[in-house]
Amino acid sequence: GAVVSQHPSRVICKSGTSVKIECRSLDFQATTMFWYRQFPKKSLMLMATSNEGSKATYEQGVEKDKFLINHASLTLSTLTVTSAHPEDSSFYICSATPGSEGETQYFGPGTRLLVL
Amino acid sequence: GENVEQHPSTLSVQEGDSAVIKCTYSDSASNYFPWYKQELGKRPQLIIDIRSNVGEKKDQRIAVTLNKTAKHFSLHITETQPEDSAVYFCAASLGGYQKVTFGTGTKLQVIP
Repeated sequence: GAVVSQHPSRVICKSGTSVKIECRSLDFQATTMFWYRQFPKKSLMLMATSNEGSKATYEQGVEKDKFLINHASLTLSTLTVTSAHPEDSSFYICSATPGSEGETQYFGPGTRLLVL
Repeated sequence: GENVEQHPSTLSVQEGDSAVIKCTYSDSASNYFPWYKQELGKRPQLIIDIRSNVGEKKDQRIAVTLNKTAKHFSLHITETQPEDSAVYFCAASLGGYQKVTFGTGTKLQVIP
């Protein structure tokens, strides 16, 4: 199967700082990637659809100025949590679809963010 | 938008018994239904998927059924093993590169 990586795997930051999370498709090109947020013992909530070379599409209720998404290449999308606050602490996970295997989405390992 | 409901939220079975998880969806245009298994702290892993032109699909101990008319689909795991213990998510999508909407998850515990 296809491989999606994320970096960092976990990050601790102070309130008010910004944090960048990278999502990479290692063995395929991805024109579309998805960013999810998952709270403990909860489901995956789609935050936004990241489109290579164009603006991301955000889900209702997700602040686009808070969660900046850049999809500058066919293998890399980044999510920047700006001016992070403790309520932004969560598990952030990305996914991508290779296309060569139909609609199957492959997930990255996730990034655990803790804002102090 | 799409809404996916999943039941039960928790399920405990004895090793060797079967487990069934049920989901319903709201958007009749959805035509791709994947199931994911997520172990604690890990990424979701696809275990089986079904498309709307198929009513049933089986892969060893795992099977999925789809009723398009009723807009519900189910996951069946037979001969459960302790390593099947995890959280299972159903999902629905319009297919292609479209976004996937997840159900609320079912925590399955297989008791040895």
